[in-house]
Amino acid sequence: AQSVTQPDIHITVSEGASLELRCNYSYGATPYLFWYVQSPGQGLQLLLKYFSGDTLVQGIKGFEAEFKRSQSSFNLRKPSVHWSDAAEYFCAVGSQGAQKLVFGQGTRLTINP
Amino acid sequence: DTAVSQTPKYLVTQMGNDKSIKCEQNLGHDTMYWYKQDSKKFLKIMFSYNNKELIINETVPNRFSPKSPDKAHLNLHINSLELGDSAVYFCASSPLGAGGLFEQFFGPGTRLTVL
Repeated sequence: AQSVTQPDIHITVSEGASLELRCNYSYGATPYLFWYVQSPGQGLQLLLKYFSGDTLVQGIKGFEAEFKRSQSSFNLRKPSVHWSDAAEYFCAVGSQGAQKLVFGQGTRLTINP
Repeated sequence: DTAVSQTPKYLVTQMGNDKSIKCEQNLGHDTMYWYKQDSKKFLKIMFSYNNKELIINETVPNRFSPKSPDKAHLNLHINSLELGDSAVYFCASSPLGAGGLFEQFFGPGTRLTVL
């Protein structure tokens, strides 16, 4: 069965600092991988996705993520965070066979001024 | 120009009542979903429909009944509400096709509180 682990429940970084949010997945075949962001009181917005090809994917709002098959990871990065990046971030894995997404438990990002 | 909309945004009700949450998407997508997000923010799929046909039912109690009158709408009816049903319910939709099936677009959520 597919599963996703986000080891960090809560991360605090200073504005302007770099960010890396961790995501590890468990899936037998090549997964489809996603990062979503949820701002307070809002729905989820897709940041980026990986299906195949280049393992470094670029997303919206200056985010990128790298798929590392050997580590079963899909970590999200941003070189310089802004106060507006404070939100909950969810990693998700999907497969065409299962036709559904399985989400990690989320990482809450707090930005210090 | 809202893509995926849900009504109501907030729902407060007593135990034992029956309530419905409505969802509509204007993206022309074929697949729609209901998710439940608990108090710890854990997001879990409940149902998915493809062109009005149920394709996923994730062992949800049968007090929950989704209804899809057409492919743009997926409503969620809940009978005999229990305290544990308190959560935020998200509707989502996605297009067909390899990869596209899984790029899901979410509604703003409905916060259900059962007293």
